[in-house]
Amino acid sequence: GENVEQHPSTLSVQEGDSAVIKCTYSDSASNYFPWYKQELGKGPQLIIDIRSNVGEKKDQRIAVTLNKTAKHFSLHITETQPEDSAVYFCAASPLNAGNMLTFGGGTRLMVKP
Amino acid sequence: SAVISQKPSRDICQRGTSLTIQCQVDSQVTMMFWYRQQPGQSLTLIATANQGSEATYESGFVIDKFPISRPNLTFSTLTVSNMSPEDSSIYLCSVERVGYTFGSGTRLTVV
Repeated sequence: GENVEQHPSTLSVQEGDSAVIKCTYSDSASNYFPWYKQELGKGPQLIIDIRSNVGEKKDQRIAVTLNKTAKHFSLHITETQPEDSAVYFCAASPLNAGNMLTFGGGTRLMVKP
Repeated sequence: SAVISQKPSRDICQRGTSLTIQCQVDSQVTMMFWYRQQPGQSLTLIATANQGSEATYESGFVIDKFPISRPNLTFSTLTVSNMSPEDSSIYLCSVERVGYTFGSGTRLTVV
């Protein structure tokens, strides 16, 4: 089955700096890679996703890059703000009916004002 | 994306008792997924629930401990049975509809 590894487990940055979180996956059949933000006491919220036919996707301050050959993908947050502080999870899935997500271990991001 | 209503949002339960968690979706979906998130950990899939058939459980999870119902295409329940303190976790339901959406979770504490 799929195995997703995520690094780092914790990340502390100064407000305004960039943050990068990296994930690797094992199953070459995976073709859908979402990123979730989880704030304390809440369920994971999808912030951005990418499919395998695209190498990069950007949404305002958030971007995701995918290298299918190397089986890794990354989340980039620019101009970080204190409200970006949360736990971020990457995940991978073959996006066919009935295929569930396999999650990375999570990254606790702390943005210091 | 789908809107999911999950309840209860939290509960404190005595060991040996059972708790049923409900998940309501605002649209019909084929598959519903139940996850467990232990304190400070990532999400682990418990089972996949199809309407009209038995749920499919992942390794390490069994129907006697986590019975699931899926009576229609917008609703599912997960029961945590004969609870022990080790069952203290956040339980989340999820559906796939233009991406995977999660409910807000049920924070369970077993004392």
